[in-house]
Amino acid sequence: DAGVIQSPRHEVTEMGQEVTLRCKPISGHNSLFWYRQTMMRGLELLIYFNNNVPIDDSGMPEDRFSAKMPNASFSTLKIQPSEPRDSAVYFCASRQGSGANVLTFGAGSRLTVL
Amino acid sequence: DAKTTQPNSMESNEEEPVHLPCNHSTISGTDYIHWYRQLPSQGPEYVIHGLTSNVNNRMASLAIAEDRKSSTLILHRATLRDAAVYYCILIGGGSNYKLTFGKGTLLTVNP
Repeated sequence: DAGVIQSPRHEVTEMGQEVTLRCKPISGHNSLFWYRQTMMRGLELLIYFNNNVPIDDSGMPEDRFSAKMPNASFSTLKIQPSEPRDSAVYFCASRQGSGANVLTFGAGSRLTVL
Repeated sequence: DAKTTQPNSMESNEEEPVHLPCNHSTISGTDYIHWYRQLPSQGPEYVIHGLTSNVNNRMASLAIAEDRKSSTLILHRATLRDAAVYYCILIGGGSNYKLTFGKGTLLTVNP
């Protein structure tokens, strides 16, 4: 298995532009998580899906952020409009089922908003 | 969410054992104790997990207190490649469980 695949790996954009980050979870995993990491705030959980359904989006910072999971093999995190404070590394992770099962992270998407 | 407490940083010398502690006094009976680590410029990666008994794998050992309110990740012989941030998190038995990470422990390994 290729693991959790994220794209793009790096994105540099200007304030006000729309940003879309993509994630392909491991086949067979039914839970997907989006995290944001900054030096100041560490690793923050933004939203997680179970069986393609958003379960908890309380970590999404504001309405400029949205996430979708149209099917079991694809998820997007969109920021519109982007702001400099959104600059961070965004990680996607997936796991199967419950309890003992391991969480597998992607390599991350580093976003810089100028 | 059940919370965990870890020291902000620890230091070790190469080829010496390292014991990374984690307190989780509010752990519930169905919570698994998971450890992940994040190497510089990489995503977190799985290290080890357990429920009640001590666990060993090729990367590390996990010692779980009898009352399960604390655990210790043991790296038997630290190498420079083990320098990373180590996270201890609790993952419940149900599938709809919010997986939040604390600040973790930054491990520095001296040559």
